[in-house]
Amino acid sequence: GNSVTQMEGPVTLSEEAFLTINCTYTATGYPSLFWYVQYPGEGLQLLLKATKADDKGSNKGFEATYRKETTSFHLEKGSVQVSDSAVYFCALTHNNAGNMLTFGGGTRLMVKP
Amino acid sequence: EAGVTQFPSHSVIEKGQTVTLRCDPISGHDNLYWYRRVMGKEIKFLLHFVKESKQDESGMPNNRFLAERTGGTYSTLKVQPAELEDSGVYFCASSQVLGSFYEQYFGPGTRLTVT
Repeated sequence: GNSVTQMEGPVTLSEEAFLTINCTYTATGYPSLFWYVQYPGEGLQLLLKATKADDKGSNKGFEATYRKETTSFHLEKGSVQVSDSAVYFCALTHNNAGNMLTFGGGTRLMVKP
Repeated sequence: EAGVTQFPSHSVIEKGQTVTLRCDPISGHDNLYWYRRVMGKEIKFLLHFVKESKQDESGMPNNRFLAERTGGTYSTLKVQPAELEDSGVYFCASSQVLGSFYEQYFGPGTRLTVT
């Protein structure tokens, strides 16, 4: 079956540091890949997505590239801000699975000023 | 436009009691999903409605869980009787169209604590 593995947190960084959160997946065929973010007290929000190999999703300074050869979708940001403190979830979905999302365990990011 | 709303935001009940969670999707969204996150683990799919019909309920853990979506609008998820392992955060999501290109919009979740 489908599965997503992401690095465990918490990840603690200083403001303006470089961020990488690793995500790898197991799936048949060609899933679509997503990063969702949950800010404190709020629901999950879609951060970025990629629907085919070599696509790069980007939003709010965050980027992730769909790497089929390494089955990865690592999240990166060049300079984090305190406001980026949140829990980040990597996820995948298949068209032939009713679009149910399969999530990783989540990674808590804490950015200190 | 209002987002996905869930009620209550937090519920504390004793083992053996019944709890009903409610989700109001974004107006016009035919697809409604329930997920839950237990004990800080990964978020797991429970079931999927298309309008009022259950499209996929493969993630429902057992028959103590009953989901309904009367009239294809809001949905309820009832847990009866609740057990300790049911504690967690229950998320609802909705999408307008079926397809991985289309975003699922999530509600803030209901935190269920069973004591």
